[in-house]
Amino acid sequence: AQSVTQLGSHVSVSEGALVLLRCNYSSSVPPYLFWYVQYPNQGLQLLLKYTSAATLVKGINGFEAEFKKSETSFHLTKPSAHMSDAAEYFCAVSDFGNEKLTFGTGTRLTIIP
Amino acid sequence: DAGVIQSPRHEVTEMGQEVTLRCKPISGHDYLFWYRQTMMRGLELLIYFNNNVPIDDSGMPEDRFSAKMPNASFSTLKIQPSEPRDSAVYFCASRPLAGGSTDTQYFGPGTRLTVL
Repeated sequence: AQSVTQLGSHVSVSEGALVLLRCNYSSSVPPYLFWYVQYPNQGLQLLLKYTSAATLVKGINGFEAEFKKSETSFHLTKPSAHMSDAAEYFCAVSDFGNEKLTFGTGTRLTIIP
Repeated sequence: DAGVIQSPRHEVTEMGQEVTLRCKPISGHDYLFWYRQTMMRGLELLIYFNNNVPIDDSGMPEDRFSAKMPNASFSTLKIQPSEPRDSAVYFCASRPLAGGSTDTQYFGPGTRLTVL
């Protein structure tokens, strides 16, 4: 069964610094991978997704992620953190033809002024 | 587009009472998903529908939980009787058919349920 592991339940970065949120997947077949963001008291919103096209995926709000098959990773990055990036971020995986999304445990990102 | 609509946004009830959560998916979306989010278990898929038909309910925790989708614009998740361990945020999400399983799921704002 597919699964994702998010390393670090809490990450703090200074405003303007690089954001790096880690996600490793486990899947028996080439997966589809997603990053969602959840702002306080809101539902989840898609940031970006990998669906076996380009391995470097660009999303909204300046975020991007790179699919690395050799490392089974799909880490999320942003060159310069903004205060508005403070939220919880979830990595998720699904397989071709499988409607289910399996979510990681989430990483809470705090931005230090 | 109004997005996925959920009601109520907050529900506080006493153990043993029946609870009904409601969801209106985005118009034209063929799939509807119910999730539960807790600190202990994270975000879990409970059940999903395709064209109003339940496809997979393997995530429904117990027989106390039931979900229906009587038409394309409305779904309910019912808990009867409710227990304190059911306290969680329940999300509804919908997505269109066209993009297949890679298409984006659109989440509602959630219902925060507290069972005393």
